[in-house]
Amino acid sequence: GQQVQQSPASLVLQEGENAELQCNFSTSLNSMQWFYQRPEGSLVSLFYNPSGTKQSGRLTSTTVIKERRSSLHISSSQITDSGTYLCAMEGTGSKLSFGKGAKLTVSP
Amino acid sequence: NAGVIQTPRHKVTGKGQEATLWCEPISGHSAVFWYRQTIVQGLEFLTYFRNQAPIDDSGMPKERFSAQMPNQSHSTLKIQSTQPQDSAVYLCASSLDGIWGDTQYFGPGTRLLVL
Repeated sequence: GQQVQQSPASLVLQEGENAELQCNFSTSLNSMQWFYQRPEGSLVSLFYNPSGTKQSGRLTSTTVIKERRSSLHISSSQITDSGTYLCAMEGTGSKLSFGKGAKLTVSP
Repeated sequence: NAGVIQTPRHKVTGKGQEATLWCEPISGHSAVFWYRQTIVQGLEFLTYFRNQAPIDDSGMPKERFSAQMPNQSHSTLKIQSTQPQDSAVYLCASSLDGIWGDTQYFGPGTRLLVL
């Protein structure tokens, strides 16, 4: 079954609003990452966050290993934040598995 | 810095033909990763190399797919006897040290269409 569940699948915000994206994992994880895919398709690494909280600008990632979840918080969203956000987990002895992604649309 | 280069950007093959996809990592990066993305399956990890050695190929289909990294400057992903279900965007990424904590830099992808 699907090891990584992302929610919500899509989200529409007005510029300036905050976004909270979630990933839940069905198996134990060693580490996890967040990626951003621009609307035209190019991919960018955002965070490698095996545990705890990491911040980069307006983005904050929090991973709680015991609870098998990770979140990505986007504060004061901008139109340029629009795109798809993907989480990926590296489980024990298993390959990197991706969620289906969360499509974010930020409108003016 | 040209970033990660992938060629060709688009490839159309007939069912049963062979397809070879090329990736040139960022100069100085020791690791190359291969991924595949489809609408149905989403993004999937295929394999990765560090210092030209295969480290993890757990995502590679067992048949018809193979990847190599003959030197530091390029890696290839070969698909033999292509099938329509192989149609996807194949993405290559490179990173400096080749550990999962490293930032990966992605190429633009090769869009493969198997007719």
